Amino acid sequence: GALVYQYPRRTICKSGTSMRMECQAVGFQATSVAWYRQSPQKTFELIALSTVNSAIKYEQNFTQEKFPISHPNLSFSSMTVLNAYLEDRGLYLCGARHSANSDYTFGSGTRLLVI
Amino acid sequence: GDSVTQTEGLVTLTEGLPVMLNCTYQTIYSNAFLFWYVHYLNESPWLLLRSSTDNKRTEHQGFHATLHKSSSSFHLQKSSAQLSDSALYYCALSDPGGNYKPTFGKGTSLVVHP
Repeated sequence: GALVYQYPRRTICKSGTSMRMECQAVGFQATSVAWYRQSPQKTFELIALSTVNSAIKYEQNFTQEKFPISHPNLSFSSMTVLNAYLEDRGLYLCGARHSANSDYTFGSGTRLLVI
Repeated sequence: GDSVTQTEGLVTLTEGLPVMLNCTYQTIYSNAFLFWYVHYLNESPWLLLRSSTDNKRTEHQGFHATLHKSSSSFHLQKSSAQLSDSALYYCALSDPGGNYKPTFGKGTSLVVHP
């Protein structure tokens, strides 16, 4: 079946530093990868959608300068949180799918704590 | 843009009682998909139910939901709650305008106690 491995599961970083999280698709080709953030007491908010061979589309309030994403092939995607501050804490989730006829499969999330 | 509104916060039930988690949505697309995801702590959210067909009941693992486009609703139900149903439940919507990426509701925490 389709699986998405996301790592690390949780991380702590000092304020002003950066951290990178990765997602690996297993059992299918991740043509599209969506990155979400769930801040405390909030729902999953879309950061950006990455589709292979297309430009990465960022949602309002999220920028490439802050959340650069790499999607180099059909099995891997990474996102970095640059200069993390307290408001960046939360659960970051990646979801991937193969085609328009398939549902997104989600990773288990990366919980970011900023101190 | 799309939005999803669901029963917020915490729902506490006694085992054996029926479950009903509300979900309503807004979208301009008539062919949108509605989903219910289950999220257990430290695990991946996984798809419980999905539907894009009006007035058709969808069932999986004892849960069911019927998409009603006239009222823009997709409520999640189960006739008898089990302890193992305790989890976070997210209603979500996807449509062709957004490349089918899900838009999530705020989530409902269901706690089933003996």
